[in-house]
Amino acid sequence: ELKVEQNPLFLSMQEGKNYTIYCNYSTTSDRLYWYRQDPGKSLESLFVLLSNGAVKQEGRLMASLDTKARLSTLHITAAVHDLSATYFCAVANTGGFKTIFGAGTRLFVKA
Amino acid sequence: DAGVTQSPTHLIKTRGQQVTLRCSPKSGHDTVSWYQQALGQGPQFIFQYYEEEERQRGNFPDRFSGHQFPNYSSELNVNALLLGDSALYLCASSSPYSEALHFGNGTRLTVT
Repeated sequence: ELKVEQNPLFLSMQEGKNYTIYCNYSTTSDRLYWYRQDPGKSLESLFVLLSNGAVKQEGRLMASLDTKARLSTLHITAAVHDLSATYFCAVANTGGFKTIFGAGTRLFVKA
Repeated sequence: DAGVTQSPTHLIKTRGQQVTLRCSPKSGHDTVSWYQQALGQGPQFIFQYYEEEERQRGNFPDRFSGHQFPNYSSELNVNALLLGDSALYLCASSSPYSEALHFGNGTRLTVT
């Protein structure tokens, strides 16, 4: 059964600092997603990672994928308050028929 | 280009009642997945519809059922509502050519 674990589940950080969110998954996967969710809102796609060694960057966020270790990371560089949100890792099973989400990392960036 | 649209946005029902939620996928998408997100938790996969068939199902009881229409829109039906069914219900659409799941704004269901 496909399981997705994120850590930490809660992260409070100062503006300007760097930090990494980790996502482990249990079985072979077709693709891995990172989503952002603001309170009371829907999910916004940040990154889709399709192959081993894939790295994508957008602004202060960078995501990477290691399929052999079944691990993805979301690195935050020089955090700003606007990055405060919940970040979800999600993994699609082979065939992409089912996408399982982690519990989410609630990020709070203090000014 | 309209994204994923869901209706209604909010709904209040009583225990034991039945509810139907609706979803129109993003233009060009033919696959619809439904998720339940309880407060403070990650979305839980309910099922996925493709070519009007349920293609994959998560760990949800038979009280949860769905349908996909020829125009790719979809409905989620929940029978015999329980208090624990209170949640945000999210619809996501995709296609073989889209990399990401595109989510609607959700329907917030409250069961009293």
